[in-house]
Amino acid sequence: KAGVTQTPRYLIKTRGQQVTLSCSPISGHRSVSWYQQTPGQGLQFLFEYFSETQRNKGNFPGRFSGRQFSNSRSEMNVSTLELGDSALYLCASSPGAGRAYEQYFGPGTRLTVT
Amino acid sequence: SQQGEEDPQALSIQEGENATMNCSYKTSINNLQWYRQNSGRGLVHLILIRSNEREKHSGRLRVTLDTSKKSSSLLITASRAADTASYFCATENTGNQFYFGTGTSLTVIP
Repeated sequence: KAGVTQTPRYLIKTRGQQVTLSCSPISGHRSVSWYQQTPGQGLQFLFEYFSETQRNKGNFPGRFSGRQFSNSRSEMNVSTLELGDSALYLCASSPGAGRAYEQYFGPGTRLTVT
Repeated sequence: SQQGEEDPQALSIQEGENATMNCSYKTSINNLQWYRQNSGRGLVHLILIRSNEREKHSGRLRVTLDTSKKSSSLLITASRAADTASYFCATENTGNQFYFGTGTSLTVIP
């Protein structure tokens, strides 16, 4: 099976712009979760989507949003980018909802905001 | 912060030795997971232990969970250079919130 893929792998944006990141889960996986990783805050949970519905959300401002399509692919959007949004954004897929299932992570999208 | 904290922050051992890292958390959990992250393979799930379990094994990995102390430990036996990575614990609390710990950086010297 192909693993989790994320596009793009690297991205440079300017403050105030918006960005959309994409995640394709492992075939058959219906849950997609997003995480932000920074040196200062570590790994932080953004949100989880299961069957096109946001199931759970971390403590991030409304500028961070996401969605999931009927084929389980997911997108994450960040509007009005700030310098502090520079991070590695990881997506993970799992066969079921919640954390009782093993999560498979993609390679991440490295976002740099200048 | 609801994050778990790993201890030690960094650990350096000789190949063949055992490595133990600990994780403490703050609230009641449904389960606890351990992950490994290195530049070559990204973030990889190692093992999940549920709140009603006390110990789990997977190959050279042994995880214990003490819910009364809100702590877990990960033991890697007979370490290899390829085990060099950062190790994170992650907890799902009873409110279904998910938090990663701060990580332990393990270096295994050949």
